[in-house]
Amino acid sequence: ILNVEQSPQSLHVQEGDSTNFTCSFPSSNFYALHWYRWETAKSPEALFVMTLNGDEKKKGRISATLNTKEGYSYLYIKGSQPEDSATYLCAFRSDDYKLSFGAGTTVTVRA
Amino acid sequence: GAVVSQHPSRVICKSGTSVKIECRSLDFQATTMFWYRQFPKQSLMLMATSNEGSKATYEQGVEKDKFLINHASLTLSTLTVTSAHPEDSSFYICSARQGTNYGYTFGSGTRLTVV
Repeated sequence: ILNVEQSPQSLHVQEGDSTNFTCSFPSSNFYALHWYRWETAKSPEALFVMTLNGDEKKKGRISATLNTKEGYSYLYIKGSQPEDSATYLCAFRSDDYKLSFGAGTTVTVRA
Repeated sequence: GAVVSQHPSRVICKSGTSVKIECRSLDFQATTMFWYRQFPKQSLMLMATSNEGSKATYEQGVEKDKFLINHASLTLSTLTVTSAHPEDSSFYICSARQGTNYGYTFGSGTRLTVV
């Protein structure tokens, strides 16, 4: 079982504020780091697949960075909106195509 | 985009009975299906990996005779929880991989309660 940790477990953000949270993962046998957005009663939605050290990806107001040498990734939400409320999961993928998930960071945006 | 339909979303069953959970890939062929289980406040834990037409590969500690996985076609995989007990109550979710260069598409999960 690979140790993938996300922090914080939950956070509350005022609408309009920006926030970020982390995912730490093993620095060996790295193949890819996946980020998902998961709303209650829905399927996890893929946000990013990151493969290269130093990668930065952006999708609207959400962006992510990757440091494979030290084993961490940050997810940023700029100008949070109520629709950003969800649980954000990161998953480490090694070369066997299996995903090891963190427990998630639950974001609640207050209007 | 790729969609995986998972049913049922919720099921309550009596102890000792069996429950079948289905995952269908609606608009693509799923070469590999992954089955996960999640207990409250914990991460998704991989239970098993199945490739179409082959026997599933189970993770350490997962009983293959209790959690029967069938991946008989490229669009359908099923997980059957046999002789369910209250400790099998959990959230189960599937994920399909289309091929080497494609991502993973998840179902919406099944909440199983065994009473």
